Amino acid sequence: SYVLTQPPSVSVAPGQTARITCGGNNIGNKFVHWYQQRPGQAPVLVVYDGGDRPSGIPERFSGSKSGSPATLTISRVEAGDEADYYCQVWDSSSDSWVFGGGTKLTVL
Amino acid sequence: QITLKESGPRLVKPTQTLTLTCTFSGFSLSTSRLGVAWIRQPPGKALEWLALIYWNDDKRYSPSLKTRLTITKDTSKNQVVLTMTNMDPVDTATYYCAHTHVPAAKGKFDPWGQGTLVTVSS
Repeated sequence: SYVLTQPPSVSVAPGQTARITCGGNNIGNKFVHWYQQRPGQAPVLVVYDGGDRPSGIPERFSGSKSGSPATLTISRVEAGDEADYYCQVWDSSSDSWVFGGGTKLTVL
Repeated sequence: QITLKESGPRLVKPTQTLTLTCTFSGFSLSTSRLGVAWIRQPPGKALEWLALIYWNDDKRYSPSLKTRLTITKDTSKNQVVLTMTNMDPVDTATYYCAHTHVPAAKGKFDPWGQGTLVTVSS
């Protein structure tokens, strides 16, 4: 089965830039989506198709459209960005949707 | 505005069958290209996709769980139902439903319901 690999944790000071990676076989050829999950809440889509943002998501959130690993970049990090972040793709081999193991972003 | 809400039992016994209902508004599953997915998350663990149904009744299941899962839709009620047989304590999780669309390769989940915690215990 297809595996997406994320670092368990990333720490960054307020105002700095956080980068969260998502690795997988041939991921550069897949559409990668990113979700933010704050404690006790449901996930929220923050970046889709690699680098597009849904309406209402700040421009501070961006993603790499191609290349490996896929990367979610959060600029000018704020305390409210502290959350778990998950990447997700569709795997054609198994015809299934796959999530990464999640990355806990800590704002120092 | 699209909203989804999960409902079902909070506690089930081992070996029982779990039935969860996702009631949604803001879209219709009679509309081409749309779908609803189920995703779960054990306490403190990662998200896991379970099943998905499209407007045309096309159904997809997680390969590791497909023998235990059934997904159906009631378009007139704006509901999607997931059943999972032979429940085990390891199935204890928050179960979410989410709106999605074709094509599968670009399929993202947005938005999500609030989730419902299901505990499996005797």
